[in-house]
Amino acid sequence: AAGVIQSPRHLIKEKRETATLKCYPIPRHDTVYWYQQGPGQDPQFLISFYEKMQSDKGSIPDRFSAQQFSDYHSELNMSSLELGDSALYFCASSLKWTSSYNEQFFGPGTRLTVL
Amino acid sequence: GEDVEQSLFLSVREGDSSVINCTYTDSSSTYLYWYKQEPGAGLQLLTYIFSNMDMKQDQRLTVLLNKKDKHLSLRIADTQTGDSAIYFCAESYNNNDMRFGAGTRLTVKP
Repeated sequence: AAGVIQSPRHLIKEKRETATLKCYPIPRHDTVYWYQQGPGQDPQFLISFYEKMQSDKGSIPDRFSAQQFSDYHSELNMSSLELGDSALYFCASSLKWTSSYNEQFFGPGTRLTVL
Repeated sequence: GEDVEQSLFLSVREGDSSVINCTYTDSSSTYLYWYKQEPGAGLQLLTYIFSNMDMKQDQRLTVLLNKKDKHLSLRIADTQTGDSAIYFCAESYNNNDMRFGAGTRLTVKP
């Protein structure tokens, strides 16, 4: 079965550079979530989109922005990168409208290293 | 996450039962989850429980929820070496964003 795809899997950037992370949800899923997991930390919710509109906002820095496109894929844009942005970035997708419970399926993550 | 707390480490012998505990603070949480993360891998949903339930069993996994004390536990029966991983407790309200605990690293010794 198709899973959530994230690209790239690994990314190395320097301070003050920009990075774009991509997430391709499971086909027919309408909701995408972004999480940031720092080294040895728990995942922290950043932002989510439902039907291409921002749904919820968590601890996403102002330097980051995200959007969901017409094909439901999502991109997380990160500017003015800082050393502290080094983390594993997870995308999850779900099908929200059909039931009261919607499992979030997680992608494998993009490991971002900022030097 | 400051709203969800777990002990950081647990070590058991193969074949024993493992019990991982979690406490949460948000009484409006409607869903509580257990995720497994193996080294370098993503998050795998193991099981979830709706807040109006107090127990859920799924093969070797048993989840107990004490809503009054806001305490959640995951019991793994007959723990195997392949169960070694970090286990995250998470909560959400109405299936929106989830708040994760810090994770419990389970080590299974042969």
